[in-house]
Amino acid sequence: SQKIEQNSEALNIQEGKTATLTCNYTNYSPAYLQWYRQDPGRGPVFLLLIRENEKEKRKERLKVTFDTTLKQSLFHITASQPADSATYLCALLASGGSYIPTFGRGTSLIVHP
Amino acid sequence: DTAVSQTPKYLVTQMGNDKSIKCEQNLGHDTMYWYKQDSKKFLKIMFSYNNKELIINETVPNRFSPKSPDKAHLNLHINSLELGDSAVYFCASSQPGQGNTEAFFGQGTRLTVV
Repeated sequence: SQKIEQNSEALNIQEGKTATLTCNYTNYSPAYLQWYRQDPGRGPVFLLLIRENEKEKRKERLKVTFDTTLKQSLFHITASQPADSATYLCALLASGGSYIPTFGRGTSLIVHP
Repeated sequence: DTAVSQTPKYLVTQMGNDKSIKCEQNLGHDTMYWYKQDSKKFLKIMFSYNNKELIINETVPNRFSPKSPDKAHLNLHINSLELGDSAVYFCASSQPGQGNTEAFFGQGTRLTVV
């Protein structure tokens, strides 16, 4: 069966450090992989998209890598700040036309001052 | 202007009732979605709908039905509510096929069935 796995345990880091979150998947052939941020009581907000033929994408302090051989994406936040504390969700969009975002469970990130 | 808005934000109702959640998007997107987020925060697709096609997650009970009066609206009707329906329901929209398939989400509707 298809699975998208994100670490269910919260990631605690100190301000200024780099946070790295992992998204692994099985039995998928994603055309796109996305990362979203979700704050308590709010809907997810899109952060970055990476295509299947791309290895890396950057946006300000964010970096996403995509390894279709390992079936894994890494999401990095450099120089992390307490305001980065949130749940981060990865979503896969399969090739074939429908492009319905299918989400992992998300990983909670807590940045300590 | 809110891109995707859904109402109500909170809904408390008794078992067996029928209720609706409304969703509107002003982004001009062709595709709208309903997701359910359970107590463990797992965001699961329920429906995907555009003006041509309704894709239903086969695990969704047929007590749930999406209704789209026009391209900008996708409402969710739930019949004979059960305790297990308690969750946060999110509406979203996107424009697949343009290379950027970003989904925009509403603020969620917290449904509590008592």
